[in-house]
Amino acid sequence: QSALTQPASVSGSPGQSITISCTGTSSDVGGYNYVSWYQQHPGKAPKLMIYEVTNRPSGVPDRFSASKSGNTASLTISGLQAEDEADYYCSSYTSSRTYVFGTGTKVTVL
Amino acid sequence: EVQLVESGGGLVQPGGSLRLSCEASGFTFSSSWMSWVRQAPGKGLEWVAHINSGGSEEYYVDSVKGRFTISRDHTKNSLYLQMNSLRVEDTAVYYCARFGVRAGWSDWGQGSLVTVSS
Repeated sequence: QSALTQPASVSGSPGQSITISCTGTSSDVGGYNYVSWYQQHPGKAPKLMIYEVTNRPSGVPDRFSASKSGNTASLTISGLQAEDEADYYCSSYTSSRTYVFGTGTKVTVL
Repeated sequence: EVQLVESGGGLVQPGGSLRLSCEASGFTFSSSWMSWVRQAPGKGLEWVAHINSGGSEEYYVDSVKGRFTISRDHTKNSLYLQMNSLRVEDTAVYYCARFGVRAGWSDWGQGSLVTVSS
């Protein structure tokens, strides 16, 4: 049950777009459409941003979008804002009927 | 409003036991899958366990199998995590979360810190 691979950090200026990748295997990300993304501000609980690869829960701004190609899922934040500065984690269902999170990406707004 | 309130965390010696509780409100607890997710200090998230709505199916990460037990009590709208044979590496904030196979972890508690140290 190895963690999914994410870049340690991604940065961008306000208004720009950034993309965070999440790489797994055919036994997790590539094999199922059960990929979700979470935002976590320091000292706070995580917040669901995307589920089932591309779906946004109500209340999540449409600046957040996601996709998947093969064994890699991606989260894109368009029109980056100061409040988007946080840690982001992906997660996937696995063939072992378990779940695995990504290593986490720190997003910095320059 | 969905609320998940964890309790039971604290300091315990290696080899000891602890039981975390999570009281749920604001949604139909008996119809919801539930989960525990932990986060070691300064580290990433780790799925620990989840349980189906009826309490008949339990799933665990390999590192806690045989040591941790997830359970639920619908009369008390509560989720539990019994942790035995605790190790230093179990030190983390433990989050209770409402969970869906498709929907992911949609609602989270504030977390309960478990510290395993001699």
